[in-house]
Amino acid sequence: EVQLVESGGGLVKPGGSLRLSCAASQFTFSSYNMNWVRQAPGKGLEWVSSISSSSNNIYYADSVKGRFTISRDNAKNSVFLQMNSLRVEDTAVYYCTREAIRGGRLDAFDIWGQGTMVTVSS
Amino acid sequence: AIQMTQSPSSLSASVGDTVTITCRASQDIRNDLGWYQQKPGKAPKLLIYGASSLQTGVPSRFSGSGSGTDFSLTISRLQPEDFATYYCQHDYDYPPTFGQGTKVEFK
Repeated sequence: EVQLVESGGGLVKPGGSLRLSCAASQFTFSSYNMNWVRQAPGKGLEWVSSISSSSNNIYYADSVKGRFTISRDNAKNSVFLQMNSLRVEDTAVYYCTREAIRGGRLDAFDIWGQGTMVTVSS
Repeated sequence: AIQMTQSPSSLSASVGDTVTITCRASQDIRNDLGWYQQKPGKAPKLLIYGASSLQTGVPSRFSGSGSGTDFSLTISRLQPEDFATYYCQHDYDYPPTFGQGTKVEFK
């Protein structure tokens, strides 16, 4: 079964750091762009960051630019999100998602992980 | 950034009803639009891509239409498992923004 499994969430104080991981299985990971999407408690979905299959193209939401860093290791079928200078408003469930391959620069997110909770609180 | 506006924000319906959710983009996004379903405590699930193409495994009672700036998701013959929150998202350019969501509740 095609699967994404996130880990690394937890409770951290404002200003702290956390590194999320996402392990992919049962598909050719190195062929796909990967994204992180978050959802604050009781709120909607917010795209956070994207990394292309070869790591050549990386994008961030303005809300996290300069604080978060996305990376991937195709040999380990994993994508990461390094989150620094965390703020209370970063509290959310963070989902790892796979972007479908249909030939466009961007595409819909066809596979989602179960999510990992990040809580930023003093 | 392109803004995505969904309406209504919530609706009440009964099993067997047909419901329609609309999504408007702040600029022309061609047909670069997806629809997602999310149930409480679960990850979103892709239903429709390319504005009108059904994702593999999604029941045919779900359908999408539209292009340019105006889009809709229709659920025909609503089933108990369809009560959920639905989001649109454009994939025209970065950032790929989501609509604010539409909660379909049991009447």
